Amino acid sequence: EVQLVESGGGLVKPGGSLRLSCAASGFTFSNAWMSWVRQAPGKGLEWIGRIKSKSDGGPTDYAAPVKGRFTISRDDSNNTVYMQMNSLKSEDTAVYYCTTVRWFGTFDHWGQGTLVTVSS
Amino acid sequence: DIVMTQSPDSLAVSLGERATINCKSSQSVLYSSNNKSYLAWYQQKPGQPPKVLIYWASTRESGVPDRFSGSGSGTDFTLTISSLQAEDVAVYYCQQYYSTPPIFTFGPGTKVDIK
Repeated sequence: EVQLVESGGGLVKPGGSLRLSCAASGFTFSNAWMSWVRQAPGKGLEWIGRIKSKSDGGPTDYAAPVKGRFTISRDDSNNTVYMQMNSLKSEDTAVYYCTTVRWFGTFDHWGQGTLVTVSS
Repeated sequence: DIVMTQSPDSLAVSLGERATINCKSSQSVLYSSNNKSYLAWYQQKPGQPPKVLIYWASTRESGVPDRFSGSGSGTDFTLTISSLQAEDVAVYYCQQYYSTPPIFTFGPGTKVDIK
């Protein structure tokens, strides 16, 4: 059974940093493309970024609102994907979901999410 | 960026009746080389993460009940629940995955309730 477990969320001040982790199990993580999607409280879904498998290579892609501030990385030896979030803003407040993403772009497995609150 | 819109914002349908949700993209998401529309539908029940229901506009994900169907091509799409069940109460989102480099965008969501 595919499992994605996010951690690292919490309360952070504007301008601060946070690193989210997503521990994966139940599938061959090294072959998987991974993504982060967020959902502000009471709002819709917003794609943040995608990292391909090392074997498929290529750049990691980001949505415009987070480009240059967020960095997605992966550790295949630990079946974990990370997202380093810097220069956080109040509008980054959201539940952050880790997902697997098919090569063509649908998000087929989701974690339960971790809440990030950016507030002074 | 491709902007996705959905209508209605919400709807209430009697149990066993049909529910229809519309999704429109600001530009075509039909890829002419393979004649596929790069459009998916998700269901998000209260307190849960989303779940993919449909991709390629009309291909049902494994395990999704056949009362859910997707149709449309190009810029206009529809998700139909043929006979609404209590467990279908949720918010439904469409998503395009056409853009290259990828900028995946979702519609704003349609909330489905029981009348």
